[in-house]
Amino acid sequence: QVQLVQSGAEVKKPGASVKVSCKVSGYTLTELSMHWVRQAPGKGLEWMGGFDPEDGETIYAQKFQGRVTMTEDTSTDTAYMELSSLRSEDTAVYYCATGGPSGSYSFDYWGQGTLVTVSS
Amino acid sequence: DIQMTQSPSSLSASVGDRVTITCQASQDISNYLNWYQQKPGKAPKLLIYDASNLETGVPSRFSGSGSGTDFTFTISSLQPEDIATYYCQQYDNLRTFGPGTKVDIK
Repeated sequence: QVQLVQSGAEVKKPGASVKVSCKVSGYTLTELSMHWVRQAPGKGLEWMGGFDPEDGETIYAQKFQGRVTMTEDTSTDTAYMELSSLRSEDTAVYYCATGGPSGSYSFDYWGQGTLVTVSS
Repeated sequence: DIQMTQSPSSLSASVGDRVTITCQASQDISNYLNWYQQKPGKAPKLLIYDASNLETGVPSRFSGSGSGTDFTFTISSLQPEDIATYYCQQYDNLRTFGPGTKVDIK
């Protein structure tokens, strides 16, 4: 069973960066394709990007290109999402999600979410 | 980018009612569509994958159909625990979620 445990809530000032972590257990990170999804307060789900196993590259939603970086530390089975140049509209719950070791294209497993608040 | 629309944006129905939500893609996505349920304060939960396949452990009152650009999600008999927001999501090109449909009890 895949378990994803995310880092705690963050409060950041506009213009700063935030780095959210997602620790994998039950499987190794190399067996999974990790994605990140965010949800602003009272709003819908927004896919940010993730690992594409067909290309072996990380793919990003155009909206976040140049401002988001997704990385992985396979030695600790931890995925990271860093978002820079934060603005108030980036206030949201950020989720890591994956389809599991089967390579599924759906998001079968989710982290608990990390609230990032951007406020001066 | 592929855009996803859902209708209605919200609905109220009685326990036992049949509930139908539609999802439309801006271009042909074959059957590359999933459906999720999200309850307040919780992470989304996968219900249907590849447009019509029921995820293991999900009650059979949930179903999905469609291909190409038009998809349907159905709850055959609405239960109180089904109160949630439902999202479609395509994976034909990158990933995109629909705007969601909020379902509550009348």
